[in-house]
Amino acid sequence: DAGVIQSPRHEVTEMGQEVTLRCKPISGHDYLFWYRQTMMRGLELLIYFNNNVPIDDSGMPEDRFSAKMPNASFSTLKIQPSEPRDSAVYFCASSLRDRGAMNTEAFFGQGTRLTVV
Amino acid sequence: EDQVTQSPEALRLQEGESSSLNCSYTVSGLRGLFWYRQDPGKGPEFLFTLYSAGEEKEKERLKATLTKKESFLHITAPKPEDSATYLCAVHAADYGGSQGNLIFGKGTKLSVKP
Repeated sequence: DAGVIQSPRHEVTEMGQEVTLRCKPISGHDYLFWYRQTMMRGLELLIYFNNNVPIDDSGMPEDRFSAKMPNASFSTLKIQPSEPRDSAVYFCASSLRDRGAMNTEAFFGQGTRLTVV
Repeated sequence: EDQVTQSPEALRLQEGESSSLNCSYTVSGLRGLFWYRQDPGKGPEFLFTLYSAGEEKEKERLKATLTKKESFLHITAPKPEDSATYLCAVHAADYGGSQGNLIFGKGTKLSVKP
């Protein structure tokens, strides 16, 4: 497996524009996580899905942020409209619940570095 | 509220100088504690999983241990290539009975000088 694949790797956009980040999780994984990483706040969980269903979106900062997972192999994180304070590295990760109902490790993509000017 | 705290924030070691990184946690129901390594410009890379107090895992110069309140990452005779940010994360049985919430600490930035 190629691991978790994110695109684009870098995105520079103007304030007010819509931004869509994409993620392909590892095949067979049933959890998908979206994180945001900044120097000040570290890795913050934005939202996670289990079997394509959003479970907890309490980390989504504002209504400008939305995430979807239309199928087991694809997820998007959308910011509309974007603002300079959204500049950060956004990571997608996926993991698998094993038979003992204990969570296995999450595997991360390489991230998308977003810059909003 | 579930929390994960790592210390120190930064650690500078000489090559060969052993030390330990700390991760203390407060969660309602631990379903796994994970250590990751993150190099600049890359995503976190998985190192270890620990599930119960008393458990230990080793990999090369790294050894992770777990108690009911904290985990340690021991680094024995580190080399410059061990320089990275080390992140601790916990899976907790969380709100509304959902499982899978993964919470990270802010990390310890390790620098090993030759």
